[in-house]
Amino acid sequence: SYVLTQPPSVSVAPGQTARITCGGNNIGSKSVHWYQQKPGQAPVLVVYDDSDRPSGIPERFSGSNSGNTATLTISRVEAGDEADYYCQVWDSSSDHPVFGTGTKVTVL
Amino acid sequence: EVQLVESGGGLVKPGGSLRLSCAASGFTFSNAWMSWVRQAPGKGLEWVGRIKSKTDGGTTDYAAPVKGRFTISRDDSKNTLYLQMNSLKTEDTAVYYCTTGSVVVPAAIWSFDIWGQGTMVTVSS
Repeated sequence: SYVLTQPPSVSVAPGQTARITCGGNNIGSKSVHWYQQKPGQAPVLVVYDDSDRPSGIPERFSGSNSGNTATLTISRVEAGDEADYYCQVWDSSSDHPVFGTGTKVTVL
Repeated sequence: EVQLVESGGGLVKPGGSLRLSCAASGFTFSNAWMSWVRQAPGKGLEWVGRIKSKTDGGTTDYAAPVKGRFTISRDDSKNTLYLQMNSLKTEDTAVYYCTTGSVVVPAAIWSFDIWGQGTMVTVSS
């Protein structure tokens, strides 16, 4: 089955830029979606189809995808961005969605 | 308001059964492909299974760890999704979320743009 690998944690100072990677075999050929999950809450879609943002998601959240790595970038990080972030793709071979291992973003 | 509300979680012994429900409102439930996603304590998200809309065949599909034990069904007249869980194991302990895509974000076909608040299932003796 398709595997998505994320770094367990990323630390960033307020106002700086956080980059969260999601690695997968030829992931650049797939559409990647990103979710933010705060403690005790359900996930929230923050980026879909590699780089599109749902209404209400700040422009500070952006995404890119190429080769074997997709990246979620959070610019001008705020304390409220502290959360777990998950990437997700649809694995066409199994017709199942697959989630990444998750990254905890800590704002210093 | 678009909403998904899960219920039915609780404590069950290994080998037991439990049925979860997910009540939908604010969108055309009958058109939606609905999924269950779970999250074990301190762990990541894991897709459990999906049911397509009746117009798309109403078929179900499951992740390998639950196939043959879990059954997803829907009652479009009640705007409700179900997850029947049998032969439960301790490793099924998790928060169970119902979710779907392409509701709030029509273009987000292969992602999940609305989620319920989750219901906790604990399998323990």
